[in-house]
Amino acid sequence: DAGVIQSPRHEVTEMGQEVTLRCKPISGHNSLFWYRQTMMRGLELLIYFNNNVPIDDSGMPEDRFSAKMPNASFSTLKIQPSEPRDSAVYFCASSPDPQGADTQYFGPGTRLTVL
Amino acid sequence: RKEVEQDPGPFNVPEGATVAFNCTYSNSASQSFFWYRQDCRKEPKLLMSVYSSGNEDGRFTAQLNRASQYISLLIRDSKLSDSATYLCVVNTGGFKTIFGAGTRLFVKA
Repeated sequence: DAGVIQSPRHEVTEMGQEVTLRCKPISGHNSLFWYRQTMMRGLELLIYFNNNVPIDDSGMPEDRFSAKMPNASFSTLKIQPSEPRDSAVYFCASSPDPQGADTQYFGPGTRLTVL
Repeated sequence: RKEVEQDPGPFNVPEGATVAFNCTYSNSASQSFFWYRQDCRKEPKLLMSVYSSGNEDGRFTAQLNRASQYISLLIRDSKLSDSATYLCVVNTGGFKTIFGAGTRLFVKA
C-alpha cells in the first residue's frame, strides 16, 4: 500500500518566490497534519485538517503561509513570499483516527531551501 | 518549560549494550503516549505506543509513570541498526500531539 506521498522531495528557490508543497494522504485517513522540522525548533505542527476542514492553524507562523485541502486525497501548503528562514523540512502526516490522536504516518518530507 | 522534554544526547553505546531514554511532559491531562524513531534525513516512524501498564516489543520496553509525568524507553542488546533519533510523543487531547526534540543514539561496533 502506498504511504503518504509528498512532492517535490527537494525544492530550492530564491527569496520572494512562491513555493507550493503537495501531499497525498493515505486513502481512508480522516486527519491530515502539516509539520515543519528544523534543527533549532524540532518538529512543529503548522496546521491540522479533519475531513478536509482546517481545524487548527495556530501553528502557521505568518500570513505568508497558507494551506488547503480541496478533497480527501490532496493538500497543499503554500508560502508566498518565501524567506530564507523558511528553509526547513516540511512533513505531511495522516492518521486514521478521526480525532487525530492516534498514530500518525509521515510522508518522506520536502526539503526546502530558500536562498 | 517545554511541554515535552528529552535529553538530546547523543548517547554513544557499544553493540549489545542496554540504553534507556527518559522523557517528561508537563500536561497532566495528557492522554496517549508514543515513541517514534527518525533515521537521518528520513521521516519519523512509530516505534511503539506506551501503555499505562508498560509494554514490550522484542528488545524494546516502554513505560509510563503518570504520577511523575514521565515516559521511558529501554533498548536491550543494542544493534548498529538502532542508531537513530528517538522522539517522545505526547497527545494532550484530540489532535494536539506534541513531539519532543528527540534523543540521538549511536550504536558502535
